[in-house]
Amino acid sequence: EVQLVESGGGLVQPGGSLRLSCAASGFTFSSYEMNWVRQAPGKGLEWVSYISSGGKIYYADSVKGRFTISRDNAKNSLYLQMNSLRAEDTAVYYCARELPIDSWGQGTLVTVSS
Amino acid sequence: DIQMTQSPSSLSASVGDRVTIACRASQGITNYLAWYQQKPGKLPELLIYAASTLQSGVPSRFSGSGSGTDFTLTISSLQPEDVATYYCQKYNTAPFTFGPGTKVHIK
Repeated sequence: EVQLVESGGGLVQPGGSLRLSCAASGFTFSSYEMNWVRQAPGKGLEWVSYISSGGKIYYADSVKGRFTISRDNAKNSLYLQMNSLRAEDTAVYYCARELPIDSWGQGTLVTVSS
Repeated sequence: DIQMTQSPSSLSASVGDRVTIACRASQGITNYLAWYQQKPGKLPELLIYAASTLQSGVPSRFSGSGSGTDFTLTISSLQPEDVATYYCQKYNTAPFTFGPGTKVHIK
């Protein structure tokens, strides 16, 4: 069974940093492309970032230059380093497999507030 | 970047009604279009990919059509468990943008 478990969310002040992690299991992680998708409270889905199995990376314009996606295939883990956080980055962040997305983690809440 | 729009933003229909949701891309995306269902308080689930291919396990009352810039999700006979927000997503090239969503209610 595919499992994606996010961690690392929390409350951070504007301008601060957080690193999200996603632990994957139940599939051959190294063979799959992965994404981060976020959903602000009461709002729609927003694609944030993508990393292919071979390491090709893309970002949404809203996070480009501030967020960095990475993966460690030896640890079956996906990461999102978030710097220069803003109030509008407040959301539940989901780790999501493949495109189109066929599996989602439960999400981790990031709140950016002073 | 290609923009994704959906219409309507919300709809209310009776059980058994045929429901149609539209998704439009600002430029052609061939058939690289997926539909997701997100029930209240739940994770999104993939319904349809490649514009018209039903994901395994999804009820056959859901169908998708379209190519290029205009796409449609149809629920042939609305059921109470279909109350949800429906999102389209393009996945041909980055950014892999979602549409703003269509909220479906039961009358």
